[in-house]
Amino acid sequence: EAQVTQNPRYLITVTGKKLTVTCSQNMNHEYMSWYRQDPGLGLRQIYYSMNVEVTDKGDVPEGYKVSRKEKRNFPLILESPSPNQTSLYFCASSHYSNQPQHFGDGTRLSIL
Amino acid sequence: AQSVTQPDIHITVSEGASLELRCNYSYGATPYLFWYVQSPGQGLQLLLKYFSGDTLVQGIKGFEAEFKRSQSSFNLRKPSVHWSDAAEYFCAAALPGSGGYQKVTFGTGTKLQVIP
Repeated sequence: EAQVTQNPRYLITVTGKKLTVTCSQNMNHEYMSWYRQDPGLGLRQIYYSMNVEVTDKGDVPEGYKVSRKEKRNFPLILESPSPNQTSLYFCASSHYSNQPQHFGDGTRLSIL
Repeated sequence: AQSVTQPDIHITVSEGASLELRCNYSYGATPYLFWYVQSPGQGLQLLLKYFSGDTLVQGIKGFEAEFKRSQSSFNLRKPSVHWSDAAEYFCAAALPGSGGYQKVTFGTGTKLQVIP
């Protein structure tokens, strides 16, 4: 089954404690992207990756890091989380950036 | 700047009634257009897409959308809404082209409530 898998689904943590949200896809997609969803703001892109070792900033990259060492995985790293990063996060993938994207089920992060 | 606008933040319809969700885009050229649905606790799922050709596009779950170039719109419709259609709906757009990065711009979403 084609899918994008994110872990964890829920996380409550404290300011400054490094965390990683994993994302894995099984469709051999070149393009992967991270979004955050906040009420009234829709989806805002954090980072994206066009292929292995090729990543770039989206609209709201501050406070986040990513890596793409393998085609299937695209983890999101918060090295020093702050409360304003409390949000719902989605990973997505597709063959090209402007093609229909497959989304994970989301990760709800609460930073206290 | 490229933008996608969904004018309705929240819509309430009765079960069995028809539905139309509005989407307007502002792009220098005709973009690819998408509608996604997000059910509670889940990620976004593609309902339908428009790349070119026939301006009336059929999607999954009985949805359709009509591309109107003159109005820069891509409205989503369903003739008879079911309670399971209650969700949030996102319109999105991206410029055509392959090989390079084409940003997808999402609207802010329309939350659909279905009442008995």
